[in-house]
Amino acid sequence: GEDVEQSLFLSVREGDSSVINCTYTDSSSTYLYWYKQEPGAGLQLLTYIFSNMDMKQDQRLTVLLNKKDKHLSLRIADTQTGDSAIYFCAVSNSGNTPLVFGKGTRLSVIA
Amino acid sequence: GAVVSQHPSWVICKSGTSVKIECRSLDFQATTMFWYRQFPKQSLMLMATSNEGSKATYEQGVEKDKFLINHASLTLSTLTVTSAHPEDSSFYICSARRDTPGELFFGEGSRLTVL
Repeated sequence: GEDVEQSLFLSVREGDSSVINCTYTDSSSTYLYWYKQEPGAGLQLLTYIFSNMDMKQDQRLTVLLNKKDKHLSLRIADTQTGDSAIYFCAVSNSGNTPLVFGKGTRLSVIA
Repeated sequence: GAVVSQHPSWVICKSGTSVKIECRSLDFQATTMFWYRQFPKQSLMLMATSNEGSKATYEQGVEKDKFLINHASLTLSTLTVTSAHPEDSSFYICSARRDTPGELFFGEGSRLTVL
């Protein structure tokens, strides 16, 4: 089955850019998501990208997809303390299948 | 944007009792909903896929008699933890799929503590 891997921790200084990486194993993955989870809260959809796209930008967020390497990244520009959270990468190979999540990357922003 | 509401958000119960958690899509219809369980410091584990009007599909290792799922309408799915025990304490999160390709919306989660 699908396996999604993320590094567990990332620490950056306020104002710097953060890059969170994710790799997956199923080349038929079609929908790729980034979710944010703040302490004690549920998941918040940040952005998603379809497999026919290489890049998607939404304000401070940039998603890059390398289908050949099965690598997805989330870049947060001008990282703020409010960005401190756990970021989950999730993939699905069709609109009707559930998501497979990575273990999440804990982003710590140092003031 | 689309909203998925879970209720209750926090529940404490005694061992042996049953607890029902509701998941509602407030402004869209969801034929399919998913239930996840999140352990401390771990990722989400899919428990089951809930389809309106039919039996839920459970993932391997999830006891269907323990975790009863009912998807009675296009906007409501319920998860009942029967005869709860302390090891069932966890964060349960539901998600609902809108009829827009690939869009999944998550509830805020329900934290269950079994004493």
